[in-house]
Amino acid sequence: GNSVTQMEGPVTLSEEAFLTINCTYTATGYPSLFWYVQYPGEGLQLLLKATKADDKGSNKGFEATYRKETTSFHLEKGSVQVSDSAVYFCALCRQGGSNYKLTFGKGTLLTVNP
Amino acid sequence: EAGVAQSPRYKIIEKRQSVAFWCNPISGHATLYWYQQILGQGPKLLIQFQNNGVVDDSQLPKDRFSAERLKGVDSTLKIQPAKLEDSAVYLCASSFWDREANTEAFFGQGTRLTVV
Repeated sequence: GNSVTQMEGPVTLSEEAFLTINCTYTATGYPSLFWYVQYPGEGLQLLLKATKADDKGSNKGFEATYRKETTSFHLEKGSVQVSDSAVYFCALCRQGGSNYKLTFGKGTLLTVNP
Repeated sequence: EAGVAQSPRYKIIEKRQSVAFWCNPISGHATLYWYQQILGQGPKLLIQFQNNGVVDDSQLPKDRFSAERLKGVDSTLKIQPAKLEDSAVYLCASSFWDREANTEAFFGQGTRLTVV
């Protein structure tokens, strides 16, 4: 079945540090890939997505590239801010028959200190 | 645009009691999801509706959980009787139907259930 594996947290960084959160997936065919973010006290919201191989999703300074050869979708940001502190979820969406299924990783807690 | 509405935000019940959660998706969204998010884990899909039909309930513990989406709009998720391990945040999400599986799912703020 489909699955997503992302790096264990928590991750603690200083402001302006470089961020990488690793994500790999297992799926048949060509899933769409997503990063969702959950800020404290809020619901999940889409951060970025990529729908085919070699696509790069980007938003708010975050980037992730869909790498089919390594089945990966690592999240990166060149300079994190305190406001980026949140839980980040990698997810894939795979069409199956008449519907599609959104499958999440376990999440990575990021804390950015001033 | 109004987002996905869920109620209540918090609920504390004793084990073996029953509880119900309500979700109103974004207007026009055909697909509605219920996820269970246990502390420290990613959301796990419980049930997925396409309009008022169930398309996936393979991970729904059907001996105690039930869900319905009458008229293809809002939905309720019920647990009866609750167990301690049901303590979690229950998330509702909705999306447009997209043949290419590219569509973003929009999430509500969730209902935090504590079973004591």
